[in-house]
Amino acid sequence: NAGVTQTPKFRILKIGQSMTLQCAQDMNHNYMYWYRQDPGMGLKLIYYSVGAGITDKGEVPNGYNVSRSTTEDFPLRLELAAPSQTSVYFCASSYSAGFETQYFGPGTRLLVL
Amino acid sequence: DAKTTQPNSMESNEEEPVHLPCNHSTISGTDYIHWYRQLPSQGPEYVIHGLTSNVNNRMASLAIAEDRKSSTLILHRATLRDAAVYYCILRDALNTGNQFYFGTGTSLTVIP
Repeated sequence: NAGVTQTPKFRILKIGQSMTLQCAQDMNHNYMYWYRQDPGMGLKLIYYSVGAGITDKGEVPNGYNVSRSTTEDFPLRLELAAPSQTSVYFCASSYSAGFETQYFGPGTRLLVL
Repeated sequence: DAKTTQPNSMESNEEEPVHLPCNHSTISGTDYIHWYRQLPSQGPEYVIHGLTSNVNNRMASLAIAEDRKSSTLILHRATLRDAAVYYCILRDALNTGNQFYFGTGTSLTVIP
């Protein structure tokens, strides 16, 4: 199994541009998550999904959108990039809620200039 | 979810045991204690979790205080590969959102 994969690994955006961060998992997990991590800080939850067609906001959703059309994929959309969105973005998945382990991808480093 | 308090940084000599503390004085009865670690330039990875009893796995041991208001992650023999940021996280088993609140964690330096 590849686990959780993310593309691209690194991207530079200009202010106002848009892009989609891709995330896929091959573990048949129901739950998927997007986190961002600013330098020297812990991770903050942006959005999560408990299954195909179901998404919900996390702690810091402003400026982002998500969709979940399949169990495997959970893309994160930035519509109007701002410098405040410069961060490292991690996607994660888990089989269910509660005490279940979350599996993280390698991250996407985004720089907005 | 309840919050946790960890030291910002710790050092250990290679091959020696490491005890990483975590305080969670407002823990509820349904909160699981999770530990994750993040190696440089990587995503977090699961280390161990527990509810009330001490837990052991191939990576580490988790010692939970009797009143559950604190816990300690024990690495029995630190290696250079264990240098990472360690996060102690409480997760309410009844919360269907499964949201993990990551603090700033403890940055562990292993000295050769």
